[in-house]
Amino acid sequence: RKEVEQDPGPFNVPEGATVAFNCTYSNSASQSFFWYRQDCRKEPKLLMSVYSSGNEDGRFTAQLNRASQYISLLIRDSKLSDSATYLCVVNSGGYNKLIFGAGTRLAVHP
Amino acid sequence: AAGVIQSPRHLIKEKRETATLKCYPIPRHDTVYWYQQGPGQDPQFLISFYEKMQSDKGSIPDRFSAQQFSDYHSELNMSSLELGDSALYFCASSFPGQGGETQYFGPGTRLLVL
Repeated sequence: RKEVEQDPGPFNVPEGATVAFNCTYSNSASQSFFWYRQDCRKEPKLLMSVYSSGNEDGRFTAQLNRASQYISLLIRDSKLSDSATYLCVVNSGGYNKLIFGAGTRLAVHP
Repeated sequence: AAGVIQSPRHLIKEKRETATLKCYPIPRHDTVYWYQQGPGQDPQFLISFYEKMQSDKGSIPDRFSAQQFSDYHSELNMSSLELGDSALYFCASSFPGQGGETQYFGPGTRLLVL
């Protein structure tokens, strides 16, 4: 079982749709949580950090539930440019290394 | 803003050859991480350095070694290359260096072993 689990998708949604991604992690000692996006053959780019209180950045909202070890990402008003793979990422509990989920593919169509 | 620089961007080698990948972190970042991403896979942590000392080690083969230099750049040395080493190798950097700070990734080196 992977340490970070995500639904691989793909999620095919029309422009303007709202889409939600979920992620679970197994290491209860994990301290930092992130969503990265990765375009094909490119590097992962930080989308947002995820805090226990929840946080929002424009059309993107992230939530963290430490008790359930569950992370979510909500994208509102999807744009064609949102098409990418979204990686749920946690740090390994006190160390620097990041543990990646397998990613959820999103395809936004006109 | 300055980003992480990696060189070369593409590299083709034959089996049993050696390769050296270079990483230049964002200015003032003192921690460097190396990740390997195979085709269709998520990035896997290899090794990290903080202030020129190895800070953590992941699934790095014994054939690979790495170091961080006084100017904070890092090199990943790969010997006796195998077909399975073909992958994207990302370097990331962070500041100030311990425990969960955001990592910023370079564009990667695409290694193909023939």
